[in-house]
Amino acid sequence: QVQQVQSGAEVKKPGSSVKVSCRASGGNFSNYVIGWVRQAPGQGLEWMGTIIPILGIVKTAQKFQDRVTINADTSTSTADMELNSLESEDTATYYCARGPTATAPFDYWGLGLLVTVSS
Amino acid sequence: ILMTQSPATLSVSLGDRATLSCKTSHSITTNLAWYQHRPGQAPRLLMYAASTRATGIPARFSGGGSGTEFTLTINNLQSEDFAIYYCQQYNTWLYTFGQGTKVEIK
Repeated sequence: QVQQVQSGAEVKKPGSSVKVSCRASGGNFSNYVIGWVRQAPGQGLEWMGTIIPILGIVKTAQKFQDRVTINADTSTSTADMELNSLESEDTATYYCARGPTATAPFDYWGLGLLVTVSS
Repeated sequence: ILMTQSPATLSVSLGDRATLSCKTSHSITTNLAWYQHRPGQAPRLLMYAASTRATGIPARFSGGGSGTEFTLTINNLQSEDFAIYYCQQYNTWLYTFGQGTKVEIK
């Protein structure tokens, strides 16, 4: 399973950054990939990026390539995603999710973290 | 790869059948998943490889299709099935989701 470290919600100022962290439990963290998906209010799911923790390989959606940093620490079974230069359009619920491989669906999801970007 | 789901909203009565469609801009063979998303909850994997139910998913859910056209069918709709359903392609590592189909009570 995956557990998002932060709960509830966060409010951020435009231009700032937000880091969302996930901890995976059950199974060997090194055997999975961790992905990040967001959902803006009233919108659908949007994939942001995925990391293979054991290899440190990251793929990000082209839309976020300049603004997102994804890392993982196999010693603590945690992964995090940092989104920079926040804009109001980044207001969304951010989910982390686990998958068995980089070309497989996500089988466990965190509960999500609502990030509101507002001045 | 672009994903197009239809309809955007489906109004169905309890006990009826719902059929959801997902079309892709390029062939993805059967590398397609379906998720159920209820408000305030985490998305839940329903189906993968287009037609394989995920662990614990009831048999009233079935999926089909290959290439560029896929369907999710929900038979004997139960109250807990009213939610938004998303398809997702994982044929390449650059995943994409459809825009979702909301299944609502008629």
